[in-house]
Order: sequence, then structure tokens, then C-alpha cells
Amino acid sequence: GQNIDQPTEMTATEGAIVQINCTYQTSGFNGLFWYQQHAGEAPTFLSYNVLDGLEEKGRFSSFLSRSKGYSYLLLKELQMKDSASYLCAVMDSNYQLIWGAGTKLIIKP
Amino acid sequence: NAGVTQTPKFRVLKTGQSMTLLCAQDMNHEYMYWYRQDPGMGLRLIHYSVGEGTTAKGEVPDGYNVSRLKKQNFLLGLESAAPSQTSVYFCASSPLAGGHLETQYFGPGTRLLVL
Repeated sequence: GQNIDQPTEMTATEGAIVQINCTYQTSGFNGLFWYQQHAGEAPTFLSYNVLDGLEEKGRFSSFLSRSKGYSYLLLKELQMKDSASYLCAVMDSNYQLIWGAGTKLIIKP
Repeated sequence: NAGVTQTPKFRVLKTGQSMTLLCAQDMNHEYMYWYRQDPGMGLRLIHYSVGEGTTAKGEVPDGYNVSRLKKQNFLLGLESAAPSQTSVYFCASSPLAGGHLETQYFGPGTRLLVL
């Protein structure tokens, strides 16, 4: 079956760095997405990786290793507004997004 | 430019009742999707559409029907609601250019409680 695994919850301190991991097993691979979802709100797009390596976008970076079925989202200089759930999703061979359950990130002052 | 809108925002149904959830987008997107989100689970695709007049089944289509009569609207119907359909429903849309690889833009969600 298809599976996306990510930690349920993580806690970090304001101003610090946090890495959220995602491992996947899917039928085919057409790219990996990261979305941010604040409580009670809609998911919003953060990043897309289809080739191995690191994609940097401001304070957020996303890494992909296709051979290991692994990605991570790196958040630097954490701010209180970064408290949210972070969703990892993989586009499978049928071009359907398979979603992880999300990682709830709690930022403490 | 409102983006993706959903109505209603919240609804309570009794088992066996029917209802329709409306999704509208003003971005001229070709692709539209209906997901459900349950605690401890990832978003699951119910149905999707790759253009006006087309629909296709996703991962969990049973108990739901959809229609895409106009490009900007995507309707999700529950003919006979069941408690298992208690969930948060999200509509999303994406442009045609990159196909399904395009970023999806989500609506604010509809919270449905079936008693």
C-alpha cells in the first residue's frame, strides 16, 4: 500500500531551527509537496521537490532523496506564527496526491 | 479575487439526510478536487475534475457524488448522510499548465457533523 510517515507533533523554541521529516512509500513518484495548515484553516503551499537536493525559499528549505524515499522541511529563525501543522504529500504514478497525517509544530517563546 | 470559496462553512445533518456542498473558484482553474480531512489521517481525495463536464473518482468516493456543470463550480453531494461522513471537507483547484503537478489552492473548508 501507499504510505506517508511524519511525526505527529514537534516542539521548538522561537528563533531556533526545526527539521520535520517525511518518509514515503508510494506507487510511483511525480514529486513531493509540503503544505502549511494553521488550525481551523486551509492548507497553503510551501514547496515542491521533484529532483534530489535542497530547495531554499527564505526561512524555509525542503530536501528530497528519492532513493531513500525521504524528505525534510527545515524551518529557520522560528517565529510564533510558524505554529501550524505541516503536511507532506507525494504525487503518485496516477498523478494523485497521497497525504501524510501532518506534523503539528508547537513554538514556545 | 476571492480564490476558492466553499458554502456552507458548517452544517449539522441527521443520518439519512442529503445535502450539497458548493465550491467556487474565480481563478479560471481547470482542475478541481474534493478532499476530506479526519483527525490523525491525511487528506483523502473523494472526487476530482479535470475540466468542465468531467469528473473522476478518487480514493474514497463511496457515498458521494459530484458535478462540474460550470468551470468555476464543483458540487459535492451526499445523498444519504452517515455518521462516518462527519469530517472537514476541503475543495481545491489548480491551473492546467502543469497538469496535476500544479500547486493546489484550497478553500476554507466545510465542517460537517452527521448525527
